Amino acid sequence: QKEVEQDPGPLSVPEGAIVSLNCTYSNSAFQYFMWYRQYSRKGPELLMYTYSSGNKEDGRFTAQVDKSSKYISLFIRDSQPSDSATYLCAMVTGANSKLTFGKGITLSVRP
Amino acid sequence: DVKVTQSSRYLVKRTGEKVFLECVQDMDHENMFWYRQDPGLGLRLIYFSYDVKMKEKGDIPEGYSVSREKKERFSLILESASTNQTSMYLCASSQIAETEAFFGQGTRLTVV
Repeated sequence: QKEVEQDPGPLSVPEGAIVSLNCTYSNSAFQYFMWYRQYSRKGPELLMYTYSSGNKEDGRFTAQVDKSSKYISLFIRDSQPSDSATYLCAMVTGANSKLTFGKGITLSVRP
Repeated sequence: DVKVTQSSRYLVKRTGEKVFLECVQDMDHENMFWYRQDPGLGLRLIYFSYDVKMKEKGDIPEGYSVSREKKERFSLILESASTNQTSMYLCASSQIAETEAFFGQGTRLTVV
């Protein structure tokens, strides 16, 4: 079993839809959880970061972590064509430890 | 803004060539990383470095080496390029005791 599993894609939704992106993990030592967004032909950039179970909101984005179930999610409300990108979950066991990434899912938001 | 700059966006090299990929960051970060990204496989860590002249193997170091002579610069070396090293290569840096990594734009390497 891979340490981090991410729902396969691609995913295509109409503009305005609510999007749910999910990852599961097997290593209970993971403490910090991140979502990166990668536009085509660009490097990934950090979108959301959290270290505790629960929800964290930033505008139209909500990151959810359930450590008991080893499950994290990213919700996008009122999705826009500009949200079309590849989304990667990532996690670390602690500061200075290496990031472990999911494989990424490509989202397309149709106007 | 943090800037991580990779020397080339696109490279085409021949099998057997020695290839150098250069990465420079301007935020005095201690940690630097090299990843490769392939469809269906995601990002895989090749090597990382926590300090000048220090390096540690990542998940897929075979066929690669690295050099970090100065804090701001981290080089990835393909000793003898092979076609299975055709990929997108991403450099990243982060501050010590921080988890956020900042990525460069990537180098798309094609080995023919």
